[in-house]
Amino acid sequence: EAQVTQNPRYLITVTGKKLTVTCSQNMNHEYMSWYRQDPGLGLRQIYYSMNVEVTDKGDVPEGYKVSRKEKRNFPLILESPSPNQTSLYFCASSFIPGELFFGEGSRLTVL
Amino acid sequence: DQQVKQNSPSLSVQEGRISILNCDYTNSMFDYFLWYKKYPAEGPTFLISISSIKDKNEDGRFTVFLNKSAKHLSLHIVPSQPGDSAVYFCAASATNTGGFKTIFGAGTRLFVKA
Repeated sequence: EAQVTQNPRYLITVTGKKLTVTCSQNMNHEYMSWYRQDPGLGLRQIYYSMNVEVTDKGDVPEGYKVSRKEKRNFPLILESPSPNQTSLYFCASSFIPGELFFGEGSRLTVL
Repeated sequence: DQQVKQNSPSLSVQEGRISILNCDYTNSMFDYFLWYKKYPAEGPTFLISISSIKDKNEDGRFTVFLNKSAKHLSLHIVPSQPGDSAVYFCAASATNTGGFKTIFGAGTRLFVKA
């Protein structure tokens, strides 16, 4: 089954404690991206990757890091989480160009 | 600066009638437009797309219209069904600039009343 898998789905953490949200896709897509969804703001792009070892900033990259060492994986790293990073996060992938396939989301709360 | 705008946060429609969701964009480099549908506790799912070389694309009950001169697109759902109740996101991409950023609007919540 074609899918984008994110983990964890839910996480409560404290300010400053590094965390990683993993994302994996099994569709051989070149393009992968991270979004955050906040009320009234829709989906805002954090980082995206056009292919292995090729990443670029989206609209809200501050406080986040990514890496693309393998085509199927695109982890999102929060080195020192802060409460303003409390959000619903989505990973997505696609061919270029093409429609995005989204994961089910990861709800992160930073206390 | 919001490059993709959905000015209606919500829309309520009677079952069987037409739902029209609107979207405006500002960047003339956008050449690929998409609509996504999102149910609570799920990720967005692709609904329909349109390339800038077209002005209409139809898929069953869903039709997307593109007016490039007005930088406006709309999604028509007819007839609307209660299962269509969801949040709809408009998205736009510029595929001819060497990158492939997809910018989303804030979403419109559609309520279809039985």
